[in-house]
Amino acid sequence: AQSVTQLDSHVSVSEGTPVLLRCNYSSSYSPSLFWYVQHPNKGLQLLLKYTSAATLVKGINGFEAEFKKSETSFHLTKPSAHMSDAAEYFCVVNNNQAGTALIFGKGTTLSVSS
Amino acid sequence: GAGVSQSPSNKVTEKGKDVELRCDPISGHTALYWYRQSLGQGLEFLIYFQGNSAPDKSGLPSDRFSAERTGGSVSTLTIQRTQQEDSAVYLCASSSGYEQYFGPGTRLTVT
Repeated sequence: AQSVTQLDSHVSVSEGTPVLLRCNYSSSYSPSLFWYVQHPNKGLQLLLKYTSAATLVKGINGFEAEFKKSETSFHLTKPSAHMSDAAEYFCVVNNNQAGTALIFGKGTTLSVSS
Repeated sequence: GAGVSQSPSNKVTEKGKDVELRCDPISGHTALYWYRQSLGQGLEFLIYFQGNSAPDKSGLPSDRFSAERTGGSVSTLTIQRTQQEDSAVYLCASSSGYEQYFGPGTRLTVT
């Protein structure tokens, strides 16, 4: 069975400081992993994805994530937060087969203060 | 190009009524998914269509929920005899590979 655990339900940072959103996964297969972002009253947008290529994945808006198999982690980072980064972030896993349902984490709300 | 669209964007209905939610996937995408996003439950998978294969209904919470996909394109999610716990945002996604593209969702409120 697959599962995703987002370790923080809420993260608060100041503008210009680094962002770290933590995610651990459990999978019987070699997984595909994703981070999605959801801004208030907007749809889900894919930030980045890992599908067994390079373990350090770069996404949009300066975000990146590193797949660490030994730690079963896929933490999302950004060197410098912007106010516009405030949103809900979801870590997502599937079993690395195209055409299978995504398993979502509970989400982490990122707040950015000026 | 055009993304996934859903209608209506908002729906308010009385308890016990039936509702239909519509999803127009990205043209050419063979896979279509329905998810539900509700407070306290997060985002959960409901049903999945792939081409002409039988749908994966393993996520449907009860037999009041059903979905169909006509002509391999548009999909309709039907909820019969709505209950207050059905209030949620219903999201549709389509895919031609690993990445799923999500629509804006339909916010359903059952009063």
